[in-house]
Amino acid sequence: QVQLQQSGPGLVKPSQTLSLTCAISGDSVSSNSAGWDWIRQSPSRGLEWLGRTYYRSKRYIDYAESVKSRITIDTDTSKNQFSLQLNSVTPEDTAIYYCARDSTHWGSDYFDYWGQGTPVTVSS
Amino acid sequence: DIQMTQSPSSLSASVGDRVTITCRASQRISTYLNWYQQKPGKAPNLLIYAASRLQSGVPSRFSGSGSGTDFTLTISSLQPEDFAVYYCQQSYITPFTFGPGTKVDIK
Repeated sequence: QVQLQQSGPGLVKPSQTLSLTCAISGDSVSSNSAGWDWIRQSPSRGLEWLGRTYYRSKRYIDYAESVKSRITIDTDTSKNQFSLQLNSVTPEDTAIYYCARDSTHWGSDYFDYWGQGTPVTVSS
Repeated sequence: DIQMTQSPSSLSASVGDRVTITCRASQRISTYLNWYQQKPGKAPNLLIYAASRLQSGVPSRFSGSGSGTDFTLTISSLQPEDFAVYYCQQSYITPFTFGPGTKVDIK
């Protein structure tokens, strides 16, 4: 059974960096058949995909254009986890942040396992 | 980016009712369409992938159909645990995008 356990602060000051980690059990961050994504949810923006990392013989990363200049998704294979860093945050980045596993079957990517969600507030 | 819309935005229904939710994509996405259910305080839960494939463990009263730009999620006989918000999501191309959600509540 795959489980994703998120950790990180729930309060970040404006202009600072939001950092979250997602620890994986039951699968590998280096899997050649899965991807590892970050998604956030807010009342104003709904569910918003932020980016993903995946291995297909080498590591790939995709970012949403809306955050591309501020986001970094990284992996730590020794700890079997991946992380999100979002720089220069503003109150508009206030949201619940989720990590998720991205699987592919019948040609379609879908999010079949999710972390528990981390509510993050950007405020001084 | 591909825009996803859903209708209705909310509906009231009774236990045992047949419920249909529609999702439309701003461009053709073949069958790269997934459906999720979300309950308060929880992460979304995958119900249907590739437009019509039932995720393992999901009750058979849930079904999906459609291709191209128009899709439907049907709950054949609504159960008390089905009152939730339902989202569609396209995986045709990144950025993956979600619909705004349809809230199903008790009549």
